[in-house]
Amino acid sequence: DAGVIQSPRHEVTEMGQEVTLRCKPISGHNSLFWYRQTMMRGLELLIYFNNNVPIDDSGMPEDRFSAKMPNASFSTLKIQPSEPRDSAVYFCASSLVPQPQHFGDGTRLSIL
Amino acid sequence: AQRVTQPEKLLSVFKGAPVELKCNYSYSGSPELFWYVQYSRQRLQLLLRHISRESIKGFTADLNKGETSFHLKKPFAQEEDSAMYYCALQSKAAGNKLTFGGGTRVLVKP
Repeated sequence: DAGVIQSPRHEVTEMGQEVTLRCKPISGHNSLFWYRQTMMRGLELLIYFNNNVPIDDSGMPEDRFSAKMPNASFSTLKIQPSEPRDSAVYFCASSLVPQPQHFGDGTRLSIL
Repeated sequence: AQRVTQPEKLLSVFKGAPVELKCNYSYSGSPELFWYVQYSRQRLQLLLRHISRESIKGFTADLNKGETSFHLKKPFAQEEDSAMYYCALQSKAAGNKLTFGGGTRVLVKP
């Protein structure tokens, strides 16, 4: 298995632009998680899905952030409009509950 | 509410010396605890889970429910152990989501 696949690996864009991050979970996994990693705040859970249904989005910073999981093999995290403070590494993880989560390589996002 | 605390942000040790990374948690239920490792600019990788009670790369961790701790230990640190280490707690009651500690950076000097 190729593991959790995230794209793009790096994204640099200007503030105000829409940013879309993509994640393909491991086949057969039934849970998907989006995390944000920054120096100041460490690893934060943004949102997670069970069986494609959003369960807890309490970590989503504000309405500019949205996440979807249209099917079991794909999820997106969208920021619109983006701001410099959104610059971070965004990780996607998946698991077959109750097994441990497997993480993707992350997307390094820089908002100028 | 569940919380994971890693009191040390940085641990610097010499090669061959023992290393211990502290992790304390607060959780009202029966916790499942993990250690994840992140090498420079790479993905987080599962290192240990407490129910496995195994040793990976020479690391061990014991769950102490009385002290609500899950410290990570290695008797002889190697340079390749230099990385960021995260302790995490998984809650079945909260949909198996992970709560991470702030992380400890380990630097093993030659």
